[in-house]
Amino acid sequence: NAGVTQTPKFQVLKTGQSMTLQCAQDMNHEYMSWYRQDPGMGLRLIHYSVGAGITDQGEVPNGYNVSRSTTEDFPLRLLSAAPSQTSVYFCASSYFRTGFAYNEQFFGPGTRLTVL
Amino acid sequence: DQQVKQNSPSLSVQEGRISILNCDYTNSMFDYFLWYKKYPAEGPTFLISISSIKDKNEDGRFTVFLNKSAKHLSLHIVPSQPGDSAVYFCAARARDDKIIFGKGTRLHILP
Repeated sequence: NAGVTQTPKFQVLKTGQSMTLQCAQDMNHEYMSWYRQDPGMGLRLIHYSVGAGITDQGEVPNGYNVSRSTTEDFPLRLLSAAPSQTSVYFCASSYFRTGFAYNEQFFGPGTRLTVL
Repeated sequence: DQQVKQNSPSLSVQEGRISILNCDYTNSMFDYFLWYKKYPAEGPTFLISISSIKDKNEDGRFTVFLNKSAKHLSLHIVPSQPGDSAVYFCAARARDDKIIFGKGTRLHILP
């Protein structure tokens, strides 16, 4: 049971390049999400998904695309990287709502992205 | 517009004493409140949660208090230990299933 895995761990891009940050989980979690962490800004939600085929925007979705074709994978695409997207990106997963309960989100180790 | 606010960027506490981390929120429709802990170069890990219908939840050394009328919650750590030095994030779940985090508070436990 690997939990939540993210690849790559580090990436340097030039402005205008595109890339995909990979996220996978093996816990059969329905809910997956992407956050970025910037100094002094905390964790900000980019996109999230409550199940395969369903995605929705978070607080800061501009410049990012997601898709959820399987339960296990939730890739984050940067179509045209900008220096403002330099950040640490975290993927997280959890079971979806079970009644009124909260299900703990498990986070991956993060991808540190630098855009020059 | 920040919906979850942690107004103290950092906090220093003597080992063995109580650490109190505070969080304010603006959205009265949040139904769950959460605390996560983060060490450098690692992903956040879940600490404790509280439902909006409760006012207290306790788990070992960690207790979360919720004051709905003040839209305020706090995390108490007693006694504080060196391994508690980390960044603590307050978060809340909205009815549309978004989980919104605050900016975090860096806790330093002093020997």
